[in-house]
Amino acid sequence: RKEVEQDPGPFNVPEGATVAFNCTYSNSASQSFFWYRQDCRKEPKLLMSVYSSGNEDGRFTAQLNRASQYISLLIRDSKLSDSATYLCVVNRGSGANNLFFGTGTRLTVIP
Amino acid sequence: EPEVTQTPSHQVTQMGQEVILRCVPISNHLYFYWYRQILGQKVEFLVSFYNNEISEKSEIFDDQFSVERPDGSNFTLKIRSTKLEDSAMYFCASGTDARSSYEQYFGPGTRLTVT
Repeated sequence: RKEVEQDPGPFNVPEGATVAFNCTYSNSASQSFFWYRQDCRKEPKLLMSVYSSGNEDGRFTAQLNRASQYISLLIRDSKLSDSATYLCVVNRGSGANNLFFGTGTRLTVIP
Repeated sequence: EPEVTQTPSHQVTQMGQEVILRCVPISNHLYFYWYRQILGQKVEFLVSFYNNEISEKSEIFDDQFSVERPDGSNFTLKIRSTKLEDSAMYFCASGTDARSSYEQYFGPGTRLTVT
């Protein structure tokens, strides 16, 4: 079973749309959860950490369900600049901080 | 805003040659990492480094790989005898501790091409 599973997409949405990405992880010992974005041939950039209580940063909202080992990202009012691959990322836990990446979900926002 | 930097941006080498990839982590960070991404695939963990020693390593990080922090600022990844399958983008990352949920910040990467 993969450590982190994501729907690869692609998601093609019009500007202004709301889009949601989901992810599941297999290691119940994981303690830190993140969404990164990656533009083509660039490095992953940290978008936000994900907390059990849920957290919001402007148009972005992340949720974590530890019981279901499920993480989500909601993007409201999509902009053209949101076009990228969104990576669901979890750490190994049990005192180890190395990250496991999902394969990513590609988003294209269309004018 | 402080950033992780990496050099070179692109390295071409022949199979069997040694390469050294260099990284300057963010200055107040304590944890350092190398990851790689083969074209079209996901990002994979190689090694983590804390308190001047390796703290974790993956199965990919075999005896051909080594890491060093020689001078308190640079963090290097050495591949002793490169193989064709080592061709990938290599990312260095650095991070802090539990107070920031062990967030990691990535450098722009070194594209390694082994011919």
